[in-house]
Amino acid sequence: EIVLTQSPGTLSLSSGERATLSCRVSQSVSSNQLAWYQKKPGQAPRLVIYAASNRASGIPDRFSGSGSGTDFTLTISRLEPEDFAMYYCQQSDRSSWTFGQGTKVEIK
Amino acid sequence: QVQLEESGGGVVQPGRSLRLSCLASGFSFSRYTLHWVRQAPGRGLEWVAAISSDGTNKFYADSVRGRFTVSRDNSGTTLFFHMDSLRTEDTAVYYCVRGAYYSDTGTYYLHYWGQGTLVTVSS
Repeated sequence: EIVLTQSPGTLSLSSGERATLSCRVSQSVSSNQLAWYQKKPGQAPRLVIYAASNRASGIPDRFSGSGSGTDFTLTISRLEPEDFAMYYCQQSDRSSWTFGQGTKVEIK
Repeated sequence: QVQLEESGGGVVQPGRSLRLSCLASGFSFSRYTLHWVRQAPGRGLEWVAAISSDGTNKFYADSVRGRFTVSRDNSGTTLFFHMDSLRTEDTAVYYCVRGAYYSDTGTYYLHYWGQGTLVTVSS
C-alpha cells in the first residue's frame, strides 16, 4: 500500500505570506497521478492541483505544485483569507487511491 | 454542469445496513469511474471504494472490503453504496466523486465531488 505523509501538520501563517506544503510518498509514483485538494469545514473537497503541477479550473495562479518521484510540494505564494483550510495530497495507483493525512493552514 | 447529489444517510445502529445513492447529471455517466470517499469527524479524507465505468471492476479499501458493496445503474445515472455490518468507526460524511482519467498520459484525479451525506452509526 502506498502511504502519503504530509508535513507540517499545521502551518500558522499570516495573509500575504508564502505557504509551502510537503507530501512524501512511500514509493515512487508518476507525477500524473498526484493531486492536491482543499477542504473547508462543511464544504466538499475541491481539486486544486492535478498531475502534480497543473492548476484545476478556477484555481488562482498563486497556487502552484511541483515535484516528482516521492517528493511533492504545494505552494501558495501569497495567502489570501480564503486560502486558510486543510490541504490533502492524493495518489491514484491503478486500483487504489490514497490520501495524505492533511496539512492545516491556519491564520497566525 | 456536473452535479452529484448524495442521499440515504442517517442514523443507524451498529451491525445494521444502509444504502447510499448518488444521482448524477451534467455528463456522460457511463464513461466515468466513480468513487466513494469519506471523512470521519475530526479526521482526514479516506478513499473507500471505486467502480469502473461499466461496473465490471470494483475496488475497495481494506477498512470496508467484505462489508460494503459499490454498484451503479448507468441507465438511471445513479451510483450506489450498500453498507452492511456497520461499525461506529464508519461514522462519516460520504462523498460521491467522479474521477478523471486520460489514458494517453496516465493522468488520474478525483475531479467532481458531491456535497456529501452524513452516516452516523450509534446505538
